[in-house]
Amino acid sequence: KNQVEQSPQSLIILEGKNCTLQCNYTVSPFSNLRWYKQDTGRGPVSLTIMTFSENTKSNGRYTATLDADTKQSSLHITASQLSDSASYICVVRPNTSGTYKYIFGTGTRLKVLA
Amino acid sequence: DSGVTQTPKHLITATGQRVTLRCSPRSGDLSVYWYQQSLDQGLQFLIQYYNGEERAKGNILERFSAQQFPDLHSELNLSSLELGDSALYFCASSVDKGAEYGYTFGSGTRLTVV
Repeated sequence: KNQVEQSPQSLIILEGKNCTLQCNYTVSPFSNLRWYKQDTGRGPVSLTIMTFSENTKSNGRYTATLDADTKQSSLHITASQLSDSASYICVVRPNTSGTYKYIFGTGTRLKVLA
Repeated sequence: DSGVTQTPKHLITATGQRVTLRCSPRSGDLSVYWYQQSLDQGLQFLIQYYNGEERAKGNILERFSAQQFPDLHSELNLSSLELGDSALYFCASSVDKGAEYGYTFGSGTRLTVV
């Protein structure tokens, strides 16, 4: 069964600290993996997208890594800011060309404290 | 502004009632996707339309229905509402059938059933 699991479920850090969020998936065959940021009460916004052949992708202070062999991805946030407080969702797309099929993780809720 | 417009932003209604949520996709996008997100839950895919035709179906209740009009805007109809239908409803759009290149979310409609 295709699944996407994220950990931790929630995380609290102090402003300025770094953190890493994890995503494990069992989706196969695999097309791409995305990380989304969702502010409370808002729609998700794409942070990064990686295909199976990519190992890392950065977007400012956000860096995503992918290990397709172990089916693991991580999102590293550097020098966190209060505005980073949000849910971070890992989304995996199976290799089903022309057909919509995305598998969503349940997200990690990050809280950055001053 | 993501380019995907959802109205209304907030809706409060009583149990047993019927409501209609509206979504205008990003200019040039032909696919519309509807999602439900209950409190502290992940995004649940409901249904997809592509250029007016139903393309994919997720966990959509029989009390819910949707359609996409010739101008590509979409409406999600929720009837015989129950307290458990209270949630954020998101619409997303993509240019293609399978969201190969990702999709863009609107800011959502918050439905409260009392």
